[in-house]
Amino acid sequence: ETGVTQSPTHLIKTRGQQVTLRCSSQSGHNTVSWYQQALGQGPQFIFQYYREEENGRGNFPPRFSGLQFPNYSSELNVNALELDDSALYLCASSLGTGGYGYTFGSGTRLTVV
Amino acid sequence: DQQVKQNSPSLSVQEGRISILNCDYTNSMFDYFLWYKKYPAEGPTFLISISSIKDKNEDGRFTVFLNKSAKHLSLHIVPSQPGDSAVYFCAASGNFGNEKLTFGTGTRLTIIP
Repeated sequence: ETGVTQSPTHLIKTRGQQVTLRCSSQSGHNTVSWYQQALGQGPQFIFQYYREEENGRGNFPPRFSGLQFPNYSSELNVNALELDDSALYLCASSLGTGGYGYTFGSGTRLTVV
Repeated sequence: DQQVKQNSPSLSVQEGRISILNCDYTNSMFDYFLWYKKYPAEGPTFLISISSIKDKNEDGRFTVFLNKSAKHLSLHIVPSQPGDSAVYFCAASGNFGNEKLTFGTGTRLTIIP
């Protein structure tokens, strides 16, 4: 049974650019949730995808968007990057939409300069 | 609006002694609580959870206590071991864990040999 894999592990982008982060969910899981963890903060919910549809969204602007594919892997896209987007982006997969069954990946560290 | 608060950013405990990590919440709709442990360069891993229908849950060296009237929970680790050194996040969910997780800011626990 493979865990949750995120790529890339580290990324440096320039303000105004666009970025795509990827997540492969754990075998058997059908839901992916994305979280942003800024330095010194706890993870904050961005959105969740269940069966390829967005199923809930946190307090993030529309330039944060996502996709889920038929194999339940997912992408997080951020347009018009801002310096404050610098953070660790965590993906969690689960069977079902509940927060009780999350398995987290190791995250992608995004630095915007 | 910080709905889940961990007021101690760091805690140092002697090996073999008890570690007590605290968490407060403000949203009365939260009825399921979890503790996660995070090592550097890894994603959070689930440690223990508790539903609001209980006031205590034990799993080996880890015990979580919930005081609903005070909107307070605590994680006890006894005896503390060097491998317990990590950042601990408290998280809360509604609908008995069927909603997204809201995280606290974390407490860095250091076990002193």
